[in-house]
Amino acid sequence: ILNVEQSPQSLHVQEGDSTNFTCSFPSSNFYALHWYRWETAKSPEALFVMTLNGDEKKKGRISATLNTKEGYSYLYIKGSQPEDSATYLCASKIIQGAQKLVFGQGTRLTINP
Amino acid sequence: NAGVMQNPRHLVRRRGQEARLRCSPMKGHSHVYWYRQLPEEGLKFMVYLQKENIIDESGMPKERFSAEFPKEGPSILRIQQVVRGDSAAYFCASSPGWDTYEQYFGPGTRLTVT
Repeated sequence: ILNVEQSPQSLHVQEGDSTNFTCSFPSSNFYALHWYRWETAKSPEALFVMTLNGDEKKKGRISATLNTKEGYSYLYIKGSQPEDSATYLCASKIIQGAQKLVFGQGTRLTINP
Repeated sequence: NAGVMQNPRHLVRRRGQEARLRCSPMKGHSHVYWYRQLPEEGLKFMVYLQKENIIDESGMPKERFSAEFPKEGPSILRIQQVVRGDSAAYFCASSPGWDTYEQYFGPGTRLTVT
């Protein structure tokens, strides 16, 4: 069974502060790690797809790192803004016959003005 | 380029009826995925389809649920003889390939079984 864990479950951050949260996944048979941003009443929106150990990706104030050997990824948000409030999902894809993304429960981020 | 379309957005069915959920992938995408979000739970994979083929249905309940993606037309997720426990949000996503492509999600169909 593939378990993807995210922590913390929820997070309140003051506007302007930087923050980060974690995604843990089994490192065996790893193929790719996806990050999505999911705003209330909208669809999940892809942020990053990462595959290589040591990968770092950046989109504006949001960046992510990947450690496939130990099975974790960090998502960083620099200088949080109210529009960053959303649930951030990570999902792991393994290559072991099954071809699917397994999602974590998400980290619900609230930015306080 | 229109995004992933799902309809209906809201669907109410009585116990025992059938529910049909439709998903039109983004133009040029031939890979479709269905996910279910039960109340207070995360997204759970149900099935992965390519045109006319089911690639992975390991997340589909064994009974009453079926999915198809015909050569022409949208992908359909069909739930026969719905029960209250089927009430959930059903999301469809599409991608141009399986490899390392990100998936683009539709707005979801919220199914309520009364």
